[in-house]
Amino acid sequence: KNEVEQSPQNLTAQEGEFITINCSYSVGISALHWLQQHPGGGIVSLFMLSSGKKKHGRLIATINIQEKHSSLHITASHPRDSAVYICAADDGLTFGKGTHLIIQP
Amino acid sequence: DAGITQSPRYKITETGRQVTLMCHQTWSHSYMFWYRQDLGHGLRLIYYSAAADITDKGEVPDGYVVSRSKTENFPLTLESATRSQTSVYFCASSPTGPRTYIEQFFGPGTRLTVL
Repeated sequence: KNEVEQSPQNLTAQEGEFITINCSYSVGISALHWLQQHPGGGIVSLFMLSSGKKKHGRLIATINIQEKHSSLHITASHPRDSAVYICAADDGLTFGKGTHLIIQP
Repeated sequence: DAGITQSPRYKITETGRQVTLMCHQTWSHSYMFWYRQDLGHGLRLIYYSAAADITDKGEVPDGYVVSRSKTENFPLTLESATRSQTSVYFCASSPTGPRTYIEQFFGPGTRLTVL
């Protein structure tokens, strides 16, 4: 069974800071997904990565398949980025426990 | 309305009762999924379905039953609810399945409390 670990579990930062959330997994996969869960509970897919880097607005996701590690970066963070960020291994869908991010004005 | 919907959004029931959570999607996606989300565990897959009349177990299937007679619906039944099944349940759909899926679309969730 794949073990998916995220760090940190909780992160509070000031508006404008550069944010990094990490995800590591124990068993090789073909792709990894990043999800965002809003404070109201809704979940949306952000990225699916199989190699390299993807960028969407201020969000950047990177993955190193050989090292079994992915990172999600947020540039120029804003209070509306406050959410739980979840990574998921595309091996039959194993999820990390999430990183609870709060951006303070 | 287009999209994926769940009903009810909130449910309180008693131990031993049967409860059915409904999920409906309008995209004709082949794959549908049920997850539960608990503090300390994150999202865990209960069951998924690749097409009508095809279902498969996920990580935590015990105590749950699913069916999929139509592509657009994927109900989840708790045959005899237990307190440990108190959770938030999310339904999701995708045009492709595990290990190949591009993106999943999640419903708004059902908060179930078993007393």
